[in-house]
Amino acid sequence: DVKVTQSSRYLVKRTGEKVFLECVQDMDHENMFWYRQDPGLGLRLIYFSYDVKMKEKGDIPEGYSVSREKKERFSLILESASTNQTSMYLCASRRGGSHDEQFFGPGTRLTVL
Amino acid sequence: EDKVVQSPLSLVVHEGDTVTLNCSYEVTNFRSLLWYKQEKKAPTFLFMLTSSGIEKKSGRLSSILDKKELSSILNITATQTGDSAIYLCAGGSSNTGKLIFGQGTTLQVKP
Repeated sequence: DVKVTQSSRYLVKRTGEKVFLECVQDMDHENMFWYRQDPGLGLRLIYFSYDVKMKEKGDIPEGYSVSREKKERFSLILESASTNQTSMYLCASRRGGSHDEQFFGPGTRLTVL
Repeated sequence: EDKVVQSPLSLVVHEGDTVTLNCSYEVTNFRSLLWYKQEKKAPTFLFMLTSSGIEKKSGRLSSILDKKELSSILNITATQTGDSAIYLCAGGSSNTGKLIFGQGTTLQVKP
């Protein structure tokens, strides 16, 4: 079974803190994605990576950065957390060169106070 | 701008009812339409549709794509309380490889 894990299910941070969200997949997938999910807005793509060291901006990259140093790990970084970044963050992975389904992690619910 | 719209946004039914969830899309270089089910955890994949008019079925769930109408439906027959979830629809683009998600439909099935 494909497994995508995220470092925390719940996280509470203060405004201005630097926040790291980690995602690890065990299926040797090349492609990895970070989304945020907000009520009424669905999932919105923040950043994605087609392979190690590669990154592409998604639809809402402002206030975020990412790191992909190893194939299995994709990190989302909030350089200076703000209250409007309170959200559910979902990571996903997919086999490279395909249009197959994406496999999702359980999500991290981040609250910024 | 690419977009995917789902309707209704929420739905409450009783066990045994049949429900139909709708998804319409405007996706540049459209390639596929995907359905996911999300309970209080990771969204899980249900169906991927690429050809118009061919129904995909899994137990009580079925889905079909209409490329002429740029839409898809997800049917659930004989609903059970375990079907309560958010159902997500996403359109895939062949040139970007990205998925564009709709807002989701929240389904509540009452005993």
